[in-house]
Amino acid sequence: AQTVTQSQPEMSVQEAETVTLSCTYDTSESNYYLFWYKQPPSRQMILVIRQEAYKQQNATENRFSVNFQKAAKSFSLKISDSQLGDTAMYFCAFTSTGANSKLTFGKGITLSVRP
Amino acid sequence: DGGITQSPKYLFRKEGQNVTLSCEQNLNHDAMYWYRQDPGQGLRLIYYSQIVNDFQKGDIAEGYSVSREKKESFPLTVTSAQKNPTAFYLCASSLWTAGNTIYFGEGSWLTVV
Repeated sequence: AQTVTQSQPEMSVQEAETVTLSCTYDTSESNYYLFWYKQPPSRQMILVIRQEAYKQQNATENRFSVNFQKAAKSFSLKISDSQLGDTAMYFCAFTSTGANSKLTFGKGITLSVRP
Repeated sequence: DGGITQSPKYLFRKEGQNVTLSCEQNLNHDAMYWYRQDPGQGLRLIYYSQIVNDFQKGDIAEGYSVSREKKESFPLTVTSAQKNPTAFYLCASSLWTAGNTIYFGEGSWLTVV
């Protein structure tokens, strides 16, 4: 069974600074997909970034980028130039490519951006 | 606008009652999902469906039931057998192909009184 671990329950960062959120996962699959989702206080789940395991290049979306280390099974999210609107819970998630694949989430990390 | 609509947003249930949460999507997605969110637990999968008239149990299906009679709709019934139903429930959908992004509705709060 696949597992996703987010070991830091809370983090805080000053506005305009950079912060990195950690995520590790466990799988025996060779091909899979990884995601970071953001859940602001409204509770709406929003996709931040998606990474395909067979692509070595790290995914980037504007101020958000990932450091994907396949051998170490690590998938961290870097947020540059943090903004107050980045305050939210962030969930790391994994899915394999099998016929009955399903998305498995970590427990999430609460990020607070300080003005 | 395309999206996923969940209703009601807030629901109160008396112990021993069944309640049904509605989920409708107009994204033409094949797959639909129900997740439960509790504090400190992340999201846990209740049921999912990849095609009409077929669905599979997720990790915490006990005390829940679903149906998938139409592609657009995937209602979740929380039965009286669910011992601790108070939670936030999220419906989601995606294209069928593995690895496609899952999109979420705005969620429904269920409280047992």
